[in-house]
Order: sequence, then structure tokens, then C-alpha cells
Amino acid sequence: DAGVIQSPRHEVTEMGQEVTLRCKPISGHDYLFWYRQTMMRGLELLIYFNNNVPIDDSGMPEDRFSAKMPNASFSTLKIQPSEPRDSAVYFCASSLMGAGYTFGSGTRLTVV
Amino acid sequence: AQSVTQLGSHVSVSEGALVLLRCNYSSSVPPYLFWYVQYPNQGLQLLLKYTSAATLVKGINGFEAEFKKSETSFHLTKPSAHMSDAAEYFCAVSDRAGANNLFFGTGTRLTVIP
Repeated sequence: DAGVIQSPRHEVTEMGQEVTLRCKPISGHDYLFWYRQTMMRGLELLIYFNNNVPIDDSGMPEDRFSAKMPNASFSTLKIQPSEPRDSAVYFCASSLMGAGYTFGSGTRLTVV
Repeated sequence: AQSVTQLGSHVSVSEGALVLLRCNYSSSVPPYLFWYVQYPNQGLQLLLKYTSAATLVKGINGFEAEFKKSETSFHLTKPSAHMSDAAEYFCAVSDRAGANNLFFGTGTRLTVIP
């Protein structure tokens, strides 16, 4: 298995633009998580899905952030409009009950 | 509510010396505890996990951790540091073995001095 695949690895965008981050979880995993990592706040859970259904989105910072999981093999995290304070590394992780998390390599987002 | 506290955001050890990274947890239910490692520009990798079986847990790369309920601790150790151990280490807690909601500590950056 190729693991959790995230794209792009790096994204630089201008303030106000829409940004879409993508994640392909490990086949067969039933949980998918989106995390954000910054120096100031560390790792923050944004949202997680179980069997493609959003379970807890209380970590999503504001309405500019949205996440979807249209099927078991794909999820997106969208920021519209983006702001400089959204600059961070965004991680996707997936898990199968009892087996722990597997993280992707992350997307480094820079909003200028 | 669950949380973990990692004491020391930076730890430096000499190559060959003992590695000790501290983690204390707070949990209203029996916890499940995890240690993850993050190498530069990579995602987090699971080092080891405690899920209420043996209190001394052995992980990858020679690391181990001991669950001490009386001290609410889950410190990570390795007898002899290697240069390749330089990374950031995260302690995490969940209320379930399946870890469908992990709460991470703020991380400890380990530097290994040649």
C-alpha cells in the first residue's frame, strides 16, 4: 500500500484565493482525519470522518474552511477565501479501528 | 476531557546517551496512550502504543515507554541515542484503543549531539 497520499506537497497562494487540499486514505480504512500543524498551536484536529460521514468538525476554525469526503478513497479540505494566518502544514491521516493512525506527508500551505 | 503535557519542548543528548522524553496525561477514563515521531518534512509515524495490556511497551527503533498510573505518566526512553533519532516526538491520548480521536501534546524536539 502506498500509504496516505496528500497533494499538493507545497502550495503558495495569494490572500483571498481559494485553496483545495486533497487526501487519499489507505484502502479499507474507515476513519479519516484532517490536522493542522503550526509552531504556535502545534497539532490541531480540524475534522474527522467515519465511513465518509463527518463526525466532529468542532476544530474547523471558521466558515472559510470546509471538508468533504465524497467516497471512501478521497477527501478534500477547502479554504475560501484564504488568509495569511492559514499558513501551516495540513496533515491527513486515516485509521482502521484498533490499528492507530497513518499520516500522510502533509501539505505545506503558504498564503501571501 | 483528555490531554497530555510534554515537559520540555527541546531535549539534547549526546550520541550513545540515554534518551528520556516526558509525557504526563490527564484522562477521566482509562487512557490509551501513543508516541509518534516526526522527521523533518514528513508526517507522523507511530512509535508505540499502550492499550491497557502490558505496562511496559516496546516500539520501533529501540524505543520503549512505561505506563505508570500512579504518576499519570507515559515517558519515552531509549538506552542509547543514535544520530538518526533526531526528530520531533509527540505524545497522544485517546479514550479508545482504536484512537478515533487523538489529542496530541505540543511535541518535544530531540537533538542528538555527536
